[in-house]
Amino acid sequence: GIQVEQSPPDLILQEGANSTLRCNFSDSVNNLQWFHQNPWGQLINLFYIPSGTKQNGRLSATTVATERYSLLYISSSQTTDSGVYFCAVKPHGNNDMRFGAGTRLTVKP
Amino acid sequence: DTAVSQTPKYLVTQMGNDKSIKCEQNLGHDTMYWYKQDSKKFLKIMFSYNNKELIINETVPNRFSPKSPDKAHLNLHINSLELGDSAVYFCASSQARMAEAFFGQGTRLTVV
Repeated sequence: GIQVEQSPPDLILQEGANSTLRCNFSDSVNNLQWFHQNPWGQLINLFYIPSGTKQNGRLSATTVATERYSLLYISSSQTTDSGVYFCAVKPHGNNDMRFGAGTRLTVKP
Repeated sequence: DTAVSQTPKYLVTQMGNDKSIKCEQNLGHDTMYWYKQDSKKFLKIMFSYNNKELIINETVPNRFSPKSPDKAHLNLHINSLELGDSAVYFCASSQARMAEAFFGQGTRLTVV
């Protein structure tokens, strides 16, 4: 099956810093989503981005489907950005959404 | 107006018991899912239902059974609970198979 790899596994930032999270996938996909799991365990939708670039406030994401990767950019990080960021993909012809192992982000004040 | 809601949020039970987790979505979606998140935070799909038909069934023990009384509900029944079933279970839904999925708040199941 498809492999989804996220890097880095852990990231510690000072408040105000910028960061880039990466998601590589091993096969073509119909769907790619980024989620933030906050410290209370909620999975929050950040982006639905099978291709192209989107921005939402301090966050933006780019997916280059032909090269099988996606990037999540966080600018001017805040302590509330802490948590685990997941990339999830749906391969062609498959309804099964596969998650990466996540990037654990800690933003220190 | 929670889009995908699960009950209960926490469930503590003894080994050998049978329990159910309920899920409801008010988004009008036609596909619903159950995911399991283990202690290492890894999320894995268990089941999905599309138009009341099971379309995915991962290698999940048959003690777990999904029940969908209608398009807006997908409940998870677990028989003869084991210690290893302790995890967080998430329900999700999407409109069509390839569309954006939305998750409930999760149910933390602890088997003692």
